[in-house]
Amino acid sequence: TQLLKQSPQFLSIQEGENLTVYCNSSSVFSSLQWYRQEPGEGPVLLVTVVTGGEVKKLKRLTFQFGDARKDSSLHITAAQPGDTGLYLCARSQNTGNQFYFGTGTSLTVIP
Amino acid sequence: SAVISQKPSRDICQRGTSLTIQCQVDSQVTMMFWYRQQPGQSLTLIATANQGSEATYESGFVIDKFPISRPNLTFSTLTVSNMSPEDSSIYLCSVEDTGGNEKLFFGSGTQLSVL
Repeated sequence: TQLLKQSPQFLSIQEGENLTVYCNSSSVFSSLQWYRQEPGEGPVLLVTVVTGGEVKKLKRLTFQFGDARKDSSLHITAAQPGDTGLYLCARSQNTGNQFYFGTGTSLTVIP
Repeated sequence: SAVISQKPSRDICQRGTSLTIQCQVDSQVTMMFWYRQQPGQSLTLIATANQGSEATYESGFVIDKFPISRPNLTFSTLTVSNMSPEDSSIYLCSVEDTGGNEKLFFGSGTQLSVL
């Protein structure tokens, strides 16, 4: 079930710029995750957010979980070419261990 | 953590044939998950494979098209049957972190092209 809508779908920016990716849903989640996938590889977990309003930082990446736990954002400061990849939010099924992914944001950082 | 090996990494197949993808994990896990990633798109869950029971398929996926085996706690296979060009995708195997963290580990995927 595709309940997580990400925006924008594609993003191409210059090195050094800032950007924000959004993950929205009409449902409330107990937690939400962000993954990054590089070409030829599987997704790799960046962070899990659990508490409404929670903010987590991972170097130049800032993740926020909405107060109502229906949405999340990923902000990248001073983007670098190494940030290029597909960014995916994901949620786990409340009644099981299945994980469902958002529609994805493809980021290209141009040197 | 878990290290997942998938084989083959890529294949080009003729329509009407079948391909079996293998997934080996370096630790015992209860559940293994198979995802499909169509070109330029996100991941869609195909099915959950539990050892010792039938796989659980998501809406839109059926066992006749995507039979799954799970003979033990470290191995699973996904077969893409009677392939058509629409089956051209990346197929990914994943497992959940056994440390109690909500986290998935993925193999590198199998890039399938159907002519």
